[in-house]
This record gives sequence, structure tokens and C-alpha cells, in this order.
Amino acid sequence: GQQLNQSPQSMFIQEGEDVSMNCTSSSIFNTWLWYKQDPGEGPVLLIALYKAGELTSNGRLTAQFGITRKDSFLNISASIPSDVGIYFCAGLNQGTYKYIFGTGTRLKVLA
Amino acid sequence: EAQVTQNPRYLITVTGKKLTVTCSQNMNHEYMSWYRQDPGLGLRQIYYSMNVEVTDKGDVPEGYKVSRKEKRNFPLILESPSPNQTSLYFCASSPGTSGREAFFGQGTRLTVV
Repeated sequence: GQQLNQSPQSMFIQEGEDVSMNCTSSSIFNTWLWYKQDPGEGPVLLIALYKAGELTSNGRLTAQFGITRKDSFLNISASIPSDVGIYFCAGLNQGTYKYIFGTGTRLKVLA
Repeated sequence: EAQVTQNPRYLITVTGKKLTVTCSQNMNHEYMSWYRQDPGLGLRQIYYSMNVEVTDKGDVPEGYKVSRKEKRNFPLILESPSPNQTSLYFCASSPGTSGREAFFGQGTRLTVV
């Protein structure tokens, strides 16, 4: 089945650093979403994007819906230890109502 | 408290023994879906439902069945489980019929031996 290409797969960063990750697809999506998964938990929605070019923030998180509708980016500023987890992008095709998830970016923060 | 509840959280079963994983949400959401999560593969959608009595296949539906007789419940049925269905399963619900902004359950870890 279709999957989104998410990169990087994993990253170690120092506390206080900024983080960037992205997601690309060969298909166009109408909605892009970013989720975070903590160990032993289900994913939790961070940011939802509904329009091409849209830039949306949620605290230290900022995400953008790519202008081509085939990509999205997530930035985390001034990382803290609780940012540790797996971040997933997801695309929603509203023609089919199917959700496609990326393979995840595992973030580890060094204090 | 608004939540999606899955049961059981952990299950070990044998090949071929039918099982059902239940999912219930208390947010009056129209859209519900099931995913499996496997290492390196992220989450893959198994089935989804836009409303009562309306279900459709996701990317990996083989070996699974679902039903949506009531708005709040969306059970996942494995008629004849096989070892390749060993995985972490998540149920999710979303407001509206378009599936945006999913709220996930805590997950069910299934092992088929």
C-alpha cells in the first residue's frame, strides 16, 4: 500500500536545539496532519493543515502544508526532554477518505 | 472524559482461533478506523467507517473484518488469525465523515502463535 516518505528516520539532538523533519508523497493530499506517539500510547494530534501553503503553529511547533500539496514540514523550536517520541505525518485524501501515514521520525533529546 | 477505548490491551492467541478486538468512543464521532503498527512501517489503515453501516477497506484489509452497527462501536474481527497478524493495533475516531483530526485509543498488542 501507499506510504509517505518521512525523514529523517531518527535523530539525536541536544536540549535547546531546533528540529526539522519532513514528509513527501508522490500523491496530492487535501489535508496534512502531524502526530506524536509516546511509548506505550496511541498517537496524539499536534497540528492539522488544510490548505496548500498554510503555515500553522502550536506552541513551539510549526508545520507547513507544501505548495505542491505533496509535502509537509514540521519544526520544533528549543527542544526539551519531553519532546522525545515518534513523530508521524499523515495525509488524508478526501476523495477516498483514506489515511496514509509516514514511517515516523524517532526523536531523542540529550539533556 | 472524551476517549477511545480498546479492549483487550494485550492478547496472545493461537493460529486460527477467531478473536474480536473492541473499540468504543464517547465523542459522538462519525468516522472510525483501525490501524496496525509494525516496526519500520508506521501505521497502516486496515478499515475505516464514515458512519453507521458504512465501511470501506484501507490499505491492508486482508484477514480482517469490521462492522459498524452503532455509532460508538467499531469492532475488529480476525476470523482466522495468523502469525503475520501479530502487531500493535490502534482504533481511532474523528468528528465528521472526512476523517480529519483522529483521536486514537491506547492500542492492543496482539501476538498470534
